[in-house]
Amino acid sequence: GEQVEQLPSILRVQEGSSASINCSYEDSASNYFPWYKQEPGENPKLIIDIRSNMERKQIQELIVLLDKKAKRFSLHITDTQPGDSAMYFCAASGDGSSGNKLIFGIGTLLSVKP
Amino acid sequence: NAGVIQTPRHKVTGKGQEATLWCEPISGHSAVFWYRQTIVQGLEFLTYFRNQAPIDDSGMPKERFSAQMPNQSHSTLKIQSTQPQDSAVYLCASSLLGGSAETLYFGSGTRLTVL
Repeated sequence: GEQVEQLPSILRVQEGSSASINCSYEDSASNYFPWYKQEPGENPKLIIDIRSNMERKQIQELIVLLDKKAKRFSLHITDTQPGDSAMYFCAASGDGSSGNKLIFGIGTLLSVKP
Repeated sequence: NAGVIQTPRHKVTGKGQEATLWCEPISGHSAVFWYRQTIVQGLEFLTYFRNQAPIDDSGMPKERFSAQMPNQSHSTLKIQSTQPQDSAVYLCASSLLGGSAETLYFGSGTRLTVL
């Protein structure tokens, strides 16, 4: 089945700088790539997603890039704020081996220092 | 809308005991997913239902784990003969139709501790 690798597992940045999280997937049939944010003590929530017919998507300070050839996608947070500190999960799903379920990466713990 | 409701929030069991976790999906949602969250493994898929029918249980440990969805308003995850390695946060999520590109709405989870 589909597997998603996510790096780094821990990311510490200074407030105002950028943060980047990288994910790779195995199944070329995967066509949907969401990102979920989980704040301490809370449940994961969707923050941005990208479909395979796009290469780039931006919502405010969040940018997602997708390279289908390399089977990689990434999340970039520009101008990070302390409120961005959380666990971030990438995921993949589609019509391939994973079926309709989301397969998640292991997560990245982002810490933004004031 | 109360969101996905999971009960209990915390459960402590002794090794070998049974644990039953409950999930109430968002009203009107057709699909229910179960995930297990640990620091080491992250968010692991366990199983999911669409319109109460089991669709994919490929993530379920075969021997002691079972899940059911007897009606559209709740699903249960049962773990028999719990072991310390079952300790984790069990997350339930629902989505509108169960399609591959839909948003999952997660509950707050049940933290299971097996002593």
